Amino acid sequence: KNEVEQSPQNLTAQEGEFITINCSYSVGISALHWLQQHPGGGIVSLFMLSSGKKKHGRLIATINIQEKHSSLHITASHPRDSAVYICAVGGGSNYKLTFGKGTLLTVNP
Amino acid sequence: GAGVSQSPSNKVTEKGKDVELRCDPISGHTALYWYRQSLGQGLEFLIYFQGNSAPDKSGLPSDRFSAERTGGSVSTLTIQRTQQEDSAVYLCASSLRFRETQYFGPGTRLLVL
Repeated sequence: KNEVEQSPQNLTAQEGEFITINCSYSVGISALHWLQQHPGGGIVSLFMLSSGKKKHGRLIATINIQEKHSSLHITASHPRDSAVYICAVGGGSNYKLTFGKGTLLTVNP
Repeated sequence: GAGVSQSPSNKVTEKGKDVELRCDPISGHTALYWYRQSLGQGLEFLIYFQGNSAPDKSGLPSDRFSAERTGGSVSTLTIQRTQQEDSAVYLCASSLRFRETQYFGPGTRLLVL
């Protein structure tokens, strides 16, 4: 079993819809990262959080440390949001990131 | 300012050859990380450097892989006697301090024939 599980693996939405991507992890962590990777493109860090909730524009990330669960929400989705969203956790003294397999989001106009 | 840069952007090599991949982190960033993304696979940690501390090499897949960081800035990842399974995108990231937000380079796409 992977230490970091994301769901769904694939998600197709219509423009304007509210999107939720989930991440569950099984290890103790000090922080969780949400990353975005466009097809053929580089990786961009969206959020790094260790508790509570963060918001940036139309993106919201939440984390529940007790339940070992995080969600990434996209409000008013747009075709330019189409990308792979990756959850990664870091913890312990060495803080090596462990990555989920990613969620491929496609937003249709 | 300039982001993380990597070179070359693409590298095709023959099995058994050695390759060197370069990473230029954001100026002033003390932590530098190497990752690998194989086709159809997720991201995988390889090694990180934190300031002047000894690097954490625990993610390197074999002793054919090595990395160094000179002067606390530029890093080179070396793969000796490349194998076809080494084909992947090798990504470098840096952060201002350890355990902070990481900024990723565009990656080097390595193809071993």
